[in-house]
Amino acid sequence: EVQVLESGGGLVQPGGSLRLSCAASGFTFSGYAMGWVRQTPGTGLEWVSSISGSGARTYYADPVKGRFTISRDNSKNMLYLQMNSLRVEDTAVYFCAKGPYSDSSEWFDPWGQGTLVTVSS
Amino acid sequence: DIQMTQSPSTLSASVGDRVTITCRASQSISSWLAWYQQKPGKAPKLLIYKASYLESGVPSRFSGSGSGTEFTLTIRSLQPDDFATYYCQQYKSYPYTFGQGTKLEIK
Repeated sequence: EVQVLESGGGLVQPGGSLRLSCAASGFTFSGYAMGWVRQTPGTGLEWVSSISGSGARTYYADPVKGRFTISRDNSKNMLYLQMNSLRVEDTAVYFCAKGPYSDSSEWFDPWGQGTLVTVSS
Repeated sequence: DIQMTQSPSTLSASVGDRVTITCRASQSISSWLAWYQQKPGKAPKLLIYKASYLESGVPSRFSGSGSGTEFTLTIRSLQPDDFATYYCQQYKSYPYTFGQGTKLEIK
């Protein structure tokens, strides 16, 4: 069964850092692009970042560019999101999700259960 | 950025009804559109990709259509399990963007 499972969320002060992890199983991890999507409580979905299967290509939403870094360790079947200079508006549930191809994430399936990041003093 | 606008925001319907949700893109996205279903406290679930391709395992009462800037998700003969929030997503270009969601409620 194809699965992705996030971890690493928590409470952090504004300006702080956090690293989210996503463990993948059930598929050849290096063969697929992956992405992060966040959802603010009570509101909709916002794409955050994507990375190609090899890790050579990365893409970011403007609100997180320069602060967040997506990466992957294909030897460990792990996806990461390093979040620095966190802001109150980064508070959200962060989902890890698998893309259908190696080069681009396009649509997402499946998604993990999400991990909550709360940025507050 | 490509803006995605869904309508209606809320839709009340009964079991057995046929419902249609519309998603409009601010510029042409060809058929680069996906639809998701999300239930409270759960992750989104892929229903449709490439505007009209049904994801494996998704009931055939779900269908998608459209191209360019206007798209629809139709649910034929609503079932109790279908009451949820539905989102469209364009993947023609980064940044990928989602519609604001349509909440399908029981009438």
